[in-house]
Amino acid sequence: QKEVEQNSGPLSVPEGAIASLNCTYSDRGSQSFFWYRQYSGKSPELIMFIYSNGDKEDGRFTAQLNKASQYVSLLIRDSQPSDSATYLCAVRGGADGLTFGKGTHLIIQP
Amino acid sequence: DGGITQSPKYLFRKEGQNVTLSCEQNLNHDAMYWYRQDPGQGLRLIYYSQIVNDFQKGDIAEGYSVSREKKESFPLTVTSAQKNPTAFYLCASSRRIDSTGANVLTFGAGSRLTVL
Repeated sequence: QKEVEQNSGPLSVPEGAIASLNCTYSDRGSQSFFWYRQYSGKSPELIMFIYSNGDKEDGRFTAQLNKASQYVSLLIRDSQPSDSATYLCAVRGGADGLTFGKGTHLIIQP
Repeated sequence: DGGITQSPKYLFRKEGQNVTLSCEQNLNHDAMYWYRQDPGQGLRLIYYSQIVNDFQKGDIAEGYSVSREKKESFPLTVTSAQKNPTAFYLCASSRRIDSTGANVLTFGAGSRLTVL
């Protein structure tokens, strides 16, 4: 059974600071990794994905992947109150969709 | 605009009744998926389909059924055999998986089912 682990939080970060969200996964054969943001009562929306070791930057967001440690993270720079949401880490290892973590609840304090 | 339409948005069901949730996409995606989300939980895969007239069970398929008669449509039936059906149901789609496995899932707005 593939597993994706996230700290459920809440993670509280002051406005303007860097928020760091972490995720570990159990399947060494996993090929690609996704971060989704989900506001309360809404469906998940993609922030970014990564499939090569290292960093990938998109605006204020940076995804980091370390396959040897089976670890993926998301950094949010200059955090805004609108970034307050649940962040879901997801992993793909084959053709059967994504395996999701339970999500980390992020609160940006004004 | 291309997207995924789920209906109904809210649904109430009495115990013992079957209900069908609709999912339609106009993104020309080959693959479609059904996930279930419970409060404070991640998404769990119910069924998925990579091609018309073919579908596979996910991690929690018991008590659910699907069909894929058209590329655009992937309805989910929650049967009376599902012991705890109250949940938020999410339909998603993606292009056919490529060698990178990096095909993105696009989600519909979801259907919230409550069993009375």
